[in-house]
Amino acid sequence: AQKVTQAQTEISVVEKEDVTLDCVYETRDTTYYLFWYKQPPSGELVFLIRRNSFDEQNEISGRYSWNFQKSTSSFNFTITASQVVDSAVYFCALRALTGANNLFFGTGTRLTVIP
Amino acid sequence: GAGVSQSPSNKVTEKGKDVELRCDPISGHTALYWYRQSLGQGLEFLIYFQGNSAPDKSGLPSDRFSAERTGGSVSTLTIQRTQQEDSAVYLCASSRGVLAGQETQYFGPGTRLLVL
Repeated sequence: AQKVTQAQTEISVVEKEDVTLDCVYETRDTTYYLFWYKQPPSGELVFLIRRNSFDEQNEISGRYSWNFQKSTSSFNFTITASQVVDSAVYFCALRALTGANNLFFGTGTRLTVIP
Repeated sequence: GAGVSQSPSNKVTEKGKDVELRCDPISGHTALYWYRQSLGQGLEFLIYFQGNSAPDKSGLPSDRFSAERTGGSVSTLTIQRTQQEDSAVYLCASSRGVLAGQETQYFGPGTRLLVL
């Protein structure tokens, strides 16, 4: 069975602060993919990043960075120097190679950046 | 547009009525997925289509739910005899395929369904 846990339900930070969103996953598959999506108030899920289970290299994209650690089954997301436009709900998701190729989502973390 | 489109954006219906929700995937994407997002259940997978293969219906919550995909493109999700617990946002996603490198799913804006 696949499971994604985002223990942080809501986080508030002041603009320009750094913030890390946690994601812990469970799967018995050795090959799998991890994703982060952003859902702004408009409601549309926006793809941010995809990682496969064989690539543990951390990734940085502008103010966003991701830390993938198989040893702890975690795929954490850090926003550096947060901005008000970062306010959204962020979802971590897992796709394994077995089953219907669907995504298993965490419950999401609502991030509010206060100006 | 180049993204996934869904219609209608909002739908209000009375309990017991049937509804149809439409999804137009990104051109060239062979895989199409339906999900449901509700307050109590989060984001749940409903059904998946890949090319001309039989759909995987393992996520459909009841036999009142069905979906089809015509011509390998547009998909329609039908809910018969709607119930109040069907109220949710129905999200459609598509991906280029299911092989490595093709599996990223891109989502549409969703259809917000309210059953009175």
